[in-house]
Amino acid sequence: EVKLVESGGGLVQPGGSLRLSCVASGFTVGGNFMNWVRQAPGRGLQWVAGSDGGGNTFYADSVKGRFTISRDNSKNTVFLQLDNLRAEDTAVYYCARAYGSSANWFDPWGQGTLVTVFS
Amino acid sequence: SVLTQPPSVSGAPGQRVTISCTGNSSSIGTFSFIHWYQQLPGTAPKLLIFDNHNRPLGLPDRFSGSKSGTSASLAITGLRAEDEGDYYCQSYDRSLTGWVFGGGTKLTVL
Repeated sequence: EVKLVESGGGLVQPGGSLRLSCVASGFTVGGNFMNWVRQAPGRGLQWVAGSDGGGNTFYADSVKGRFTISRDNSKNTVFLQLDNLRAEDTAVYYCARAYGSSANWFDPWGQGTLVTVFS
Repeated sequence: SVLTQPPSVSGAPGQRVTISCTGNSSSIGTFSFIHWYQQLPGTAPKLLIFDNHNRPLGLPDRFSGSKSGTSASLAITGLRAEDEGDYYCQSYDRSLTGWVFGGGTKLTVL
């Protein structure tokens, strides 16, 4: 069974930092395009960041320069470093694999980890 | 959102409902694919349809997808109470160079 499990969410003040982790099982992250997607309370889904198997990284404009996606293939884990957090970053953060010939769709998804930025 | 969905749809058990998803040439164009996700209350999104009309293994054929031009739609037949939740369309927008989602549609089973 392919599975993703996130951790690392919590409460943080504006300007603070958090590091989210996503551990994969049933497949290796090394050969896959891994992503983070977030969902603010009561809102829709927003793609945040992605990392392909070749070392390239991609970011939504709203987080560029503040968030950093990375991976440790030996631990089959993907990370999202969140710096200079803002109130509008409050959301459940999901880890998801982009699948398909052109990394088109997201499957599977993790259960999510909640990040709350409060003052 | 780059992709536009109706905020809500509803139907009685056993009925058929459709959810639309409209975009532009860079998000739902000839070379773009639409994917659909189901998010039941309190759970993570789950892939429902990929590449416009394909179902993952094990998904009931009550769910179907289609695409024409810059519009796509998800159809659910034989509505059940457990189908109640939020549904999202998703694509890759070449002009934005990123993955985009519709705003989501809340399905209510009456």
